[in-house]
Amino acid sequence: GENVEQHPSTLSVQEGDSAVIKCTYSDSASNYFPWYKQELGKRPQLIIDIRSNVGEKKDQRIAVTLNKTAKHFSLHITETQPEDSAVYFCAASTPTGNQFYFGTGTSLTVIP
Amino acid sequence: GAGVSQSPSNKVTEKGKDVELRCDPISGHTALYWYRQSLGQGLEFLIYFQGNSAPDKSGLPSDRFSAERTGGSVSTLTIQRTQQEDSAVYLCASSFTGGAYEQYFGPGTRLTVT
Repeated sequence: GENVEQHPSTLSVQEGDSAVIKCTYSDSASNYFPWYKQELGKRPQLIIDIRSNVGEKKDQRIAVTLNKTAKHFSLHITETQPEDSAVYFCAASTPTGNQFYFGTGTSLTVIP
Repeated sequence: GAGVSQSPSNKVTEKGKDVELRCDPISGHTALYWYRQSLGQGLEFLIYFQGNSAPDKSGLPSDRFSAERTGGSVSTLTIQRTQQEDSAVYLCASSFTGGAYEQYFGPGTRLTVT
């Protein structure tokens, strides 16, 4: 089955700096790579996703890049703000959706 | 519209008892997932339902865990003979269909086995 690894497990940045979280996956059939944000005590919510026919996607301060050859994808947050502090999860899914695996999460702290 | 709901929000049970956790997905969503999240940990996939197809049970940790989805809507996760290591938050998510679609999560059920 799929194995999704996520690094780092914790990340602290100064407000205004950039944050980068990286994930690797093992199943070459995976073609959908979402990122979820989970604030303390709340449910995970999708913030951005990318499909395998795209190399990069951007939404305001958030961007995701995908390298299918190397089987890795990354989340980039620019101009970080304190409200970006949360746990971020990457995930990988095969086309049928029956293999949907999350990474172990990255706890991001943005220091004001 | 209404989001994914789960009940109960909290459940405390004694070791050895059975528990049932309920998930009401978003209306019209054919895919439903159950995950387990232990304290400070990631999301562990448990089971996946897609329409009327046989569920993918590959993530269930033991035969004490089972799940049903009646009428393609409401789902129940049952844990028999609960153990302390079953203590976790159980999250349900639904999506329009399986695969490359956003999953909408419920608020979770926090299970504590004493």
